[in-house]
Amino acid sequence: DAGVIQSPRHEVTEMGQEVTLRCKPISGHDYLFWYRQTMMRGLELLIYFNNNVPIDDSGMPEDRFSAKMPNASFSTLKIQPSEPRDSAVYFCASSTGQGRGDSPLHFGNGTRLTVT
Amino acid sequence: AQKVTQAQTEISVVEKEDVTLDCVYETRDTTYYLFWYKQPPSGELVFLIRRNSFDEQNEISGRYSWNFQKSTSSFNFTITASQVVDSAVYFCALSEEGGTSYGKLTFGQGTILTVHP
Repeated sequence: DAGVIQSPRHEVTEMGQEVTLRCKPISGHDYLFWYRQTMMRGLELLIYFNNNVPIDDSGMPEDRFSAKMPNASFSTLKIQPSEPRDSAVYFCASSTGQGRGDSPLHFGNGTRLTVT
Repeated sequence: AQKVTQAQTEISVVEKEDVTLDCVYETRDTTYYLFWYKQPPSGELVFLIRRNSFDEQNEISGRYSWNFQKSTSSFNFTITASQVVDSAVYFCALSEEGGTSYGKLTFGQGTILTVHP
């Protein structure tokens, strides 16, 4: 079975440019999460969706960040304009709710973003 | 607010040694879930185990075992007879049940485990 698929694996861009990260969750999963991993802050939740609807975006650092989920099989995280402090590994994860909180998150391989 | 603390930043052992990774959590919910994830050098996050707050039974899976103690708010992870392939960063995480907390994982800072041949 295909896992969570993220693209690109690596992204290098210059400050001020727009960056779009993409995620395809596992088929049938109704929850999708975007996490960011940095040395300073560890793994932190940015936003999550349930049935394509954003539920909690309190972790989105600022208005430069936006996320969408136009359908059950695709989500994007956009940073515009990008800044060097946005450099991090961005993970997408999905899970199936089943009305319980113990469904494990299945993570993609991450996108390593470097903003110069 | 929930919090997960992994006090050990780095652990270094020699192959075949047993090693225990500590995890202490804080939550006000009575229903919650605990997880361990492994992040090998390749960078992906691999799910290892989950436990719910009503099940304090310890679990063993091969060389891995987990000890959950609500009285001390701990969920420790032991690797028996460690191997070089166990070298990775290990994360403990907590998920609460209520409201918009559902499914959100709060991660500890991670423990870097290095197993030397």
